[in-house]
Amino acid sequence: TQLLEQSPQFLSIQEGENLTVYCNSSSVFSSLQWYRQEPGEGPVLLVTVVTGGEVKKLKRLTFQFGDARKDSSLHITAAQPGDTGLYLCAGEDAGNMLTFGGGTRLMVKP
Amino acid sequence: GAVVSQHPSRVICKSGTSVKIECRSLDFQATTMFWYRQFPKQSLMLMATSNEGSKATYEQGVEKDKFLINHASLTLSTLTVTSAHPEDSSFYICSALGLAGPKFTDTQYFGPGTRLTVL
Repeated sequence: TQLLEQSPQFLSIQEGENLTVYCNSSSVFSSLQWYRQEPGEGPVLLVTVVTGGEVKKLKRLTFQFGDARKDSSLHITAAQPGDTGLYLCAGEDAGNMLTFGGGTRLMVKP
Repeated sequence: GAVVSQHPSRVICKSGTSVKIECRSLDFQATTMFWYRQFPKQSLMLMATSNEGSKATYEQGVEKDKFLINHASLTLSTLTVTSAHPEDSSFYICSALGLAGPKFTDTQYFGPGTRLTVL
């Protein structure tokens, strides 16, 4: 069974601060995906990283895939209240099955 | 593109009744659909993998006789929670696996979820 450990579980910060969310596993994944989920809605895909060492940027969000394709991080610069939500990482195996991390609940206070 | 719908979005039922949740891929065909369950303040847990025209594959600990899955077409999968009990109250989310191609590339597209409350 593949497991993804996501940390921190909860994060409450002030607007303008930076933060990093980590996703770690002992397993190798074909790709790793990051989602954001609002209450009462399904998860929305933010990015997919595929290549070891890959870095992708989405405005103030920077996603990195570890060289060994076992871990990933999400860094948010100058967080805004609109960034508040549940962030989920998910590792994808060769059969397109997703294993989700435990999630990071982010609250950005104005 | 790549829209997945779920119906109903919310349902409240009495204990002992059965509830059917539909998952549809609106603009693409999906031979594989997945059903997840999410309890409050927790992450998504895969319940089962549904393949069109064949029996679903259930994850360990998920009762196949309680959670009936039917994937009768390339755009529709249904999850029926039979004899529902309060502990079945949860947020049920489906996803559809887009077929490889120029538009949809081996990606799971998630539905908006169905909130089930069993009284």
